[in-house]
Amino acid sequence: EADIYQTPRYLVIGTGKKITLECSQTMGHDKMYWYQQDPGMELHLIHYSYGVNSTEKGDLSSESTVSRIRTEHFPLTLESARPSHTSQYLCASRWGAGELFFGEGSRLTVL
Amino acid sequence: AQSVTQPDIHITVSEGASLELRCNYSYGATPYLFWYVQSPGQGLQLLLKYFSGDTLVQGIKGFEAEFKRSQSSFNLRKPSVHWSDAAEYFCAVEADSNYQLIWGAGTKLIIKP
Repeated sequence: EADIYQTPRYLVIGTGKKITLECSQTMGHDKMYWYQQDPGMELHLIHYSYGVNSTEKGDLSSESTVSRIRTEHFPLTLESARPSHTSQYLCASRWGAGELFFGEGSRLTVL
Repeated sequence: AQSVTQPDIHITVSEGASLELRCNYSYGATPYLFWYVQSPGQGLQLLLKYFSGDTLVQGIKGFEAEFKRSQSSFNLRKPSVHWSDAAEYFCAVEADSNYQLIWGAGTKLIIKP
């Protein structure tokens, strides 16, 4: 059973608002990832972290930012949401090169 | 650059019939290979993985996959599908020990009663 949690599961928000998607894992995993997933498309890596105070941008250009101040916590922030940010965001974690565990996702709609 | 191709966007199979989902990858050496399943409204769950050794790997829920180096393929199979197998299936590869997975676009499995 995966112990990785995302909140909120669903969010509808207006353009220009600041949002933070939360992701927490209780497995002590060193690596954490944020993916963007649209219907019928592959998962796109937008941010990743290999440990505390380590964050990198992924392959997909994103206007979001992340932080990794604690091992278990990897929040994603959008300073000013736009309709183009409407998508599902998946958080994942793993230890070393082991299995990638996923949260249930946060579905964001920007009006 | 590495890439993963899942040629079938969706597949419809009768309950009890056999299943094969295709996955082809592009990479110079042998990558790590994965199959994940995503049920509606859920995150992804690992079905099985191949790192090295026996090219036929067994996974959870009765799934298996075979790595074929000559074809750069890692197809997923199940001898008899159940209605609960209806979901989206993603193939992924990890290369260069960079701890990042490259994903296919997924295949949606529809089960006919």
